[in-house]
Amino acid sequence: GAVVSQHPSWVICKSGTSVKIECRSLDFQATTMFWYRQFPKQSLMLMATSNEGSKATYEQGVEKDKFLINHASLTLSTLTVTSAHPEDSSFYICSAYPVTSGRVEETQYFGPGTRLLVL
Amino acid sequence: GQNIDQPTEMTATEGAIVQINCTYQTSGFNGLFWYQQHAGEAPTFLSYNVLDGLEEKGRFSSFLSRSKGYSYLLLKELQMKDSASYLCAVRGVNDYKLSFGAGTTVTVRA
Repeated sequence: GAVVSQHPSWVICKSGTSVKIECRSLDFQATTMFWYRQFPKQSLMLMATSNEGSKATYEQGVEKDKFLINHASLTLSTLTVTSAHPEDSSFYICSAYPVTSGRVEETQYFGPGTRLLVL
Repeated sequence: GQNIDQPTEMTATEGAIVQINCTYQTSGFNGLFWYQQHAGEAPTFLSYNVLDGLEEKGRFSSFLSRSKGYSYLLLKELQMKDSASYLCAVRGVNDYKLSFGAGTTVTVRA
């Protein structure tokens, strides 16, 4: 199956700093990637849809100025948590649909996740 | 919007069968997915249903009834490694977004 990687796998930072998380599709191109957040013992909540070459679309209640998304190429999307606070501590997961011969595949593949702890 | 319900927890014995139900009420439907997630890890794809009926993949099977807004994931010959959270997710129409249920934690006992 397709492989999605994330970097870093975990990060600890001080309150007020910014943290950048990278999501890469390793063996396929992805015009669209998704960013999710998951709090302990809860399900995945979609934060935003990252679109290559255009602005991301955010879900209701997600602050676009706090969670900056850049999809600069067909294999890379980045999520920057600006001025992070302890309540931003969570498990951040990205995903993507492979595109084969111009057709989006049915299955979405997830990255391994990035665990963020803000002190 | 999407409303997706599944039980919170289930416990079963090694070698047994467990069925995880998922009901959904959605503004649009373009497929139902089941994912497995071990603690601290990302979800891994298990199955996908877009038409009514049963899809079988080894020890795992998934069923869908679109008219009833209902799906189940059947795990057979349970193994200890099957202890995990199982997520039901519905994909919307005209986009590729997935809406997830809260997940069902399955514990397999020896």
